[in-house]
Amino acid sequence: QKEVEQDPGPLSVPEGAIVSLNCTYSNSAFQYFMWYRQYSRKGPELLMYTYSSGNKEDGRFTAQVDKSSKYISLFIRDSQPSDSATYLCAMTPPNSGNTPLVFGKGTRLSVIA
Amino acid sequence: GAGVSQSPRYKVAKRGQDVALRCDPISGHVSLFWYQQALGQGPEFLTYFQNEAQLDKSGLPSDRFFAERPEGSVSTLKIQRTQQEDSAVYLCASSLRTEVTFGSGTRLTVV
Repeated sequence: QKEVEQDPGPLSVPEGAIVSLNCTYSNSAFQYFMWYRQYSRKGPELLMYTYSSGNKEDGRFTAQVDKSSKYISLFIRDSQPSDSATYLCAMTPPNSGNTPLVFGKGTRLSVIA
Repeated sequence: GAGVSQSPRYKVAKRGQDVALRCDPISGHVSLFWYQQALGQGPEFLTYFQNEAQLDKSGLPSDRFFAERPEGSVSTLKIQRTQQEDSAVYLCASSLRTEVTFGSGTRLTVV
């Protein structure tokens, strides 16, 4: 079993839908949680970053962490065709500036106009 | 530069050939990471530098893989005697504290 599990999809939704992306993890040492967006032939781009359990909102994006269940989510409201990309969850123990990120497989999302 | 720069963007190598992939991190970023991303997978850690010191190379898949960062800025990932299973995107990332910024990667195809 991998340390981070993520449903690879693909996920296809109509424009304006609410999208829910999820990851589970097994390592209790993970304290920092990130969501990256990766467009085709590009590197991952940081979307959201959170440390504690609970919700963090940034525009149309909400990141949710439940450490007791080892479960994280990313919600996208009013999804747009430009949101079509692969979404990667990533996590790391403390001192994340000098410890490697552990990634999920990524979920490929298509938002259809 | 404003971001992490990697070159070449694409590399086709014949099996058995040696390749060198370059990473130019964000100026002043102390930490530098190399990741390997196979098709349809998330990035997998290869190695980590803090300035010029290679502090972790536990992810390098074999002794054919070698990385260096001699002056604490530009880094090179070298793969000797390439094999087909080395075909992947090689991502470089740098960070100052917590936020990690990735380059666009080098897509290596071994034929």
